[in-house]
Amino acid sequence: NAGVTQTPKFRILKIGQSMTLQCAQDMNHNYMYWYRQDPGMGLKLIYYSVGAGITDKGEVPNGYNVSRSTTEDFPLRLELAAPSQTSVYFCASTYGGGSLDGYTFGSGTRLTVV
Amino acid sequence: GQQLNQSPQSMFIQEGEDVSMNCTSSSIFNTWLWYKQDPGEGPVLLIALYKAGELTSNGRLTAQFGITRKDSFLNISASIPSDVGIYFCAGLNYGGSQGNLIFGKGTKLSVKP
Repeated sequence: NAGVTQTPKFRILKIGQSMTLQCAQDMNHNYMYWYRQDPGMGLKLIYYSVGAGITDKGEVPNGYNVSRSTTEDFPLRLELAAPSQTSVYFCASTYGGGSLDGYTFGSGTRLTVV
Repeated sequence: GQQLNQSPQSMFIQEGEDVSMNCTSSSIFNTWLWYKQDPGEGPVLLIALYKAGELTSNGRLTAQFGITRKDSFLNISASIPSDVGIYFCAGLNYGGSQGNLIFGKGTKLSVKP
């Protein structure tokens, strides 16, 4: 049982490049989330999904896209990387419906856009 | 949007001392959570509070859900070096089907042996 797995752990992008941050969970969780954490700040929600085929915007969705074709995977796509997207990105998952026991975070992807 | 005010921003204490930090909000939450984040890692849940007035302990950690549902505090007793890290409060409302956590900005704890 690996929990929530994020890849890569680190990445440097040039302005305008694109990339996909991968997130996978093996706990059969329905809810999955993408957060970003800027230095000295708490986490802010980018996108979330309540199940396969269902996604919705969070607080800071601009510049990102997501998809949820399976229960296990929830990739985050950056199409045209900008310096403002330099941050640490965390994926999380939970059963949902008021159950917080399984609210689990991945170990993060540190992204730098130069 | 909803915001949480967490204080203090940082603390530098002596090993063995007790620690107290708190979180306030302008709006109410149904659930309050406290997380700890170690360098290079994601947040790990310490304590979850589900009811106004609830007081819950987890080892040397004690947290309370404020009566007004707009605040929470976390206490750490007899701190040890491994308590070092960033502590985040988070509020949760299961409005609709979102289940989104709203995070405070964190309290950075440093412990001097």
